[in-house]
Amino acid sequence: QQPVQSPQAVILREGEDAVINCSSSKALYSVHWYRQKHGEAPVFLMILLKGGEQKGHDKISASFNEKKQQSSLYLTASQLSYSGTYFCGTEPGFGNEKLTFGTGTRLTIIP
Amino acid sequence: DTEVTQTPKHLVMGMTNKKSLKCEQHMGHRAMYWYKQKAKKPPELMFVYSYEKLSINESVPSRFSPECPNSSLLNLHLHALQPEDSALYLCASSQEQWQGADNEQFFGPGTRLTVL
Repeated sequence: QQPVQSPQAVILREGEDAVINCSSSKALYSVHWYRQKHGEAPVFLMILLKGGEQKGHDKISASFNEKKQQSSLYLTASQLSYSGTYFCGTEPGFGNEKLTFGTGTRLTIIP
Repeated sequence: DTEVTQTPKHLVMGMTNKKSLKCEQHMGHRAMYWYKQKAKKPPELMFVYSYEKLSINESVPSRFSPECPNSSLLNLHLHALQPEDSALYLCASSQEQWQGADNEQFFGPGTRLTVL
């Protein structure tokens, strides 16, 4: 079952904040976040493990609520370089070591 | 060197052709992956190799045949493909197959395949 992301697409002006959600129907061991720019390979952003931790670097952070089987990615004071499609990747648990990517969120930052 | 390379960048083939995609990494990663990505869709896992052995085959049709000749190389052999197989084929690698902390996947730029 593919994780569902919301919103599907969002357009922001530079400096505005964005939240991207990832929701799974299965219990999760970890959530990965990737960004893919048009015509390029996905690039890793961060991993969150079971335990409800929150992570962040620079102006991008994420949270993981294992009870709700959800993760959220927070982008603050967005920059033009943040444009791209964001995918969460979920891993159900030990013994099922593979990522299933979510439906994707297309983020467009305009000047 | 934190790069995954893929060749060729573009490939056009007929339904009766046999071709191969190549992927290489020199990061000492022990897990390597093939993904298929259609336009505006997420990458879909096809195969996983762990320590040069096939670990996961996501019920991929036999016209796709993976091969891992050594720990740095991953091939995808293509034969008798269908037009609906046209897509971007991405290779990725990670330290281990276990998707734990600090086990990010590094993706190659992909091969854009067109089947006529």
